[in-house]
Parts: sequence; C-alpha cells; structure tokens
Amino acid sequence: EPEVTQTPSHQVTQMGQEVILRCVPISNHLYFYWYRQILGQKVEFLVSFYNNEISEKSEIFDDQFSVERPDGSNFTLKIRSTKLEDSAMYFCASSPGQGRGTYEQYFGPGTRLTVT
Amino acid sequence: AQKVTQAQTEISVVEKEDVTLDCVYETRDTTYYLFWYKQPPSGELVFLIRRNSFDEQNEISGRYSWNFQKSTSSFNFTITASQVVDSAVYFCALRETSGSRLTFGEGTQLTVNP
Repeated sequence: EPEVTQTPSHQVTQMGQEVILRCVPISNHLYFYWYRQILGQKVEFLVSFYNNEISEKSEIFDDQFSVERPDGSNFTLKIRSTKLEDSAMYFCASSPGQGRGTYEQYFGPGTRLTVT
Repeated sequence: AQKVTQAQTEISVVEKEDVTLDCVYETRDTTYYLFWYKQPPSGELVFLIRRNSFDEQNEISGRYSWNFQKSTSSFNFTITASQVVDSAVYFCALRETSGSRLTFGEGTQLTVNP
C-alpha cells in the first residue's frame, strides 16, 4: 500500500541553524501538507500546498518557514533559523484531491526535530 | 473559527470493555468533514474514518463504530470489546470545505489493560 515517507526520522540541530525536512507524498496525490505536534500536545496545521503554491497557511507558518516541491516527488519544509520552541514532531501529509470522497489526508511517520 | 474539543484527556479500561471517546466540534460552515485518527505509541497518525456533514448515517467497522449527531455537533467513537492493541491517543479532527486544514482536538489517551 502506498505511503507517505519522511526523512530524517530524527534531526538534532542548534538554535539558529537552518533545517530542511523532507517528505515523499503518495505518488498520485495532488495536495500536500505540513503539521507539527509539540510533545504531548495536539497536532497543529502549518501549511497546505497545491499546484506549486501555498493554498493555506496558519499563523504559526511565519517568515521563518518555507515549503518547496523541488521535483516531482519531494516536498520539503525549511526552517531558516531554528528556535528552541520549534522542537516538535513534524508530520507531512498528502491527499488525492479536494473533490468529494477524496478528503482523507494520509500522514507520514513524522520527523522529530530537536533544537538545542 | 473551527474548533474541536475532546474533553476526555485519558481513559483507562480493562480488556473487553466497551469504551466511547467523545468529540464535539464547532464550525460556521454548513458542509464539513470529520475524521478520527489513531496515534499509537510509535507516533504515526493512522486514518480511521471520515464522515461528511451531509451524511448522518452512523458507521460500524468491525469493533469500531461512530455516532454522528449534527444536532449536538458531536462525532463520538466507540470501541467494542477493547483490546490491548487499541491503546493509543485518538484524535478527532474537522475540515471545513472553505479551507484545506485539519483542525485537531487535544486527543484522548486510551489505555487498555490486560
């Protein structure tokens, strides 16, 4: 069964460094998302992406964040200058489309980001 | 603004007991979608079910059943004859048709003891 994959599974970085989290969505999906989950808390939406542009973003997704689909398979989240409070599990998700019956978002296993 | 509330932070049951996880939502949209996801100790998010606001039929899938009540803005999830493998955090989520984001509740930690 196709699945969303994410690399790395765990990333440790120093405050102020740039990180890039990578995701390979399910191959025939058209919509891509990033969410984050601070330890012990709920899952929070960051951004959605369709047709090579951001379709929606949350208030969390400020200028420190950016997303890109550099080729036909990868979808990346970049954090330009990490802060301690960026430490969280970051989930990538994808969905087939927006039409009726296609609203499920399938999540990857997550990347645990630790900022020291 | 959309909001999902899961008032039960933690539930502990003994194997074979039935357990219901509550979910209450708020939205201004007339058409929306509700979801349940399971997060086992390994951390991934596993999709369980989607319910459309225009379809109020309840659904049963094996030991799982879902009760959607539009009148009370609730979408509760029942596990019948719970098993230890059901131990996980369960999240209810809402998606409005006016946007693409899933809004999650705080989650309910379910522990099923042998």
